[in-house]
Amino acid sequence: SQQGEEDPQALSIQEGENATMNCSYKTSINNLQWYRQNSGRGLVHLILIRSNEREKHSGRLRVTLDTSKKSSSLLITASRAADTASYFCATDAGNRDDKIIFGKGTRLHILP
Amino acid sequence: EAQVTQNPRYLITVTGKKLTVTCSQNMNHEYMSWYRQDPGLGLRQIYYSMNVEVTDKGDVPEGYKVSRKEKRNFPLILESPSPNQTSLYFCASRLHRDQPQHFGDGTRLSIL
Repeated sequence: SQQGEEDPQALSIQEGENATMNCSYKTSINNLQWYRQNSGRGLVHLILIRSNEREKHSGRLRVTLDTSKKSSSLLITASRAADTASYFCATDAGNRDDKIIFGKGTRLHILP
Repeated sequence: EAQVTQNPRYLITVTGKKLTVTCSQNMNHEYMSWYRQDPGLGLRQIYYSMNVEVTDKGDVPEGYKVSRKEKRNFPLILESPSPNQTSLYFCASRLHRDQPQHFGDGTRLSIL
């Protein structure tokens, strides 16, 4: 069962613009993670935000979490060609297990 | 270097021929998971392990087995592979539930 759902499925923007991706989920969570994947390679962790946090920053990345709306957003500012990749959110369901549910991802393409 | 190592990276085999994909991490992580990634479906968790000798089903466990005899290793076993198990597989590990996952580079399996 899919919990995290990213929106949009695909996004193309000009280099230098900001990119925003959204993730919605269905049940309560312990934390939410964002990952980047370059074309069939392994996933790279970007930011983990806990359920009691509302916003986190890492360099050009900003993640927000709204637990009342069960949604999160990832903002990439001043995009670069190297940001071209697929981005996934993943939720830790918060039970006494380690079930992690990924969304289907957003494909981001940065145009030169 | 901290890493998650999967082998093999690529495998083409035939229906019914048992195979094992190995996963090893050198970070002393407690938690390990296996995922499969299929086009349009994102990553789906197959099995996870929260400690040695502790394993449990993820979202899509049918047709797979795992074992966790040592902390560093978490092999994925396909006893009788079928074509619908053709996919890209990832192993991941993390120290604790509130920590990000570290992913291997992936194993591309083709079952003919």
